[in-house]
Parts: sequence; structure tokens; C-alpha cells
Amino acid sequence: DIQMTQSPSSLSASVGDRVTITCRASQAINNYLVWFQQKPGKAPKSLIYDASSLQSGVPSKFSGSGSGTEFSLTITSLQPEDFATYYCHQYHSYPLTFGGGTKVEIK
Amino acid sequence: EVQLVESGGGLVQPGGSLRLSCVVSGFTLSDYYMDWVRQAPGKGLEWVGRTRNKARSYTTEYDASVKGRFIISRDDSKNTLYLQMNSLKTEDTAVYFCVRAERGVRNNYYFEYWGQGTLVTVSS
Repeated sequence: DIQMTQSPSSLSASVGDRVTITCRASQAINNYLVWFQQKPGKAPKSLIYDASSLQSGVPSKFSGSGSGTEFSLTITSLQPEDFATYYCHQYHSYPLTFGGGTKVEIK
Repeated sequence: EVQLVESGGGLVQPGGSLRLSCVVSGFTLSDYYMDWVRQAPGKGLEWVGRTRNKARSYTTEYDASVKGRFIISRDDSKNTLYLQMNSLKTEDTAVYFCVRAERGVRNNYYFEYWGQGTLVTVSS
């Protein structure tokens, strides 16, 4: 199974900050990576697919990068609606797996 | 507009069975790969399983934790996806999400649309 390791598990940031979340895969996943945002009590929302492609309707403040086994999600100019938990997910091979999540909290 | 609406969750005793349903609208169910993903209370996301589309003969994949106990099926005429859960364990307690997968340009499938989820509680 491909293990997905996210870091940090949580972070505190202020409105207007830029934050970066990292995801490491236990083996190469050919950029088959999605980033999700989840707010309490809600379903996850896809932000980025294929590691760096912005999902339709998602603002360009979200960007994804990386290749091989190392990937990152960057959020610029944090706004109150961006405080949430973010997950990475690999769809390279079965079983499909997720990172443990990064909770972005208000400082 | 794509919509997925799960139902069928509830309280069940360990060893019991439950069937979840996901009614979809806004697209043709037979054209799409569909998945179930779960989330235990306060925990992260866990993939449960997948059914491929009609073109791929509705073949299925499951996570090892549910293989042999859970069965994914669909009735395209009713626009409904199912998750039959048998021999339930306390660790199966979670919100279960129905998810539509989208084919990427390189022919792998990623989660795109999610339902709101339905809570399954396995407890005596």
C-alpha cells in the first residue's frame, strides 16, 4: 500500500498569510495526487488534481506542485473561509489512500 | 447540477448488516466510476471501495479492511449506488460518503463530486 504522510498535522496562521502543506508518498505516484479541503460537518471539496491542476471553480490562490514522491499545496493570502482541514490523496494504485490531514487554524 | 444523496445510515449491533443507498442526479450513472469513502468521528478519510462503469463491466475494488464483508452494487435504472455492509464491526463506525470519480487526461480516476454523507454507528 502507498502511505501518504502529510506535514504539519496542524498549523496556526493569520489572515493574509501564505501557507504551504507538504505530502510525501511512500513510492512514486506519477503525479496522481489530489488535494481536498474539508470543513467541519461537510464533505471534502476537491481543490487540485493531477498534483497541480486547479479544479474548476477553485480560486487561483490555491496551487499545487511537486512530482515523484514529494508534493505541496500552497494557499496565498489566507482568508477566514480557508481555515479548514486539508488532505492529500493518491489515485495511482489500489488501495486508494489519503494523508492524515492538516488542520489550518486561525492564530 | 450533479447531486449525490446518501441514506440508510443508523445504529446497528456488531455482527449486523446495513445497506446504504446513494441516489444520484445530474449525470448518467452508468458512465461513471463510483466510490465509497468513510470517515470515523474526528478522524481522517478512508477509501472503502469502487465500482467501475458499464464500459468496464461494473468491476469492483475494495480496501482490505472491508473485502469479503462489504459489497458495492448499483441500479442504473434507479440512479442508485449501494453499499451492502455485513459482519459489521465497531471500527466500521463512520460517516460514509458516496463519491463520483472523474477520469483524468491520463486515464486514472480521481474523486470529484461528494455526497453529504450518512452516519453508521456500530455499537451494542
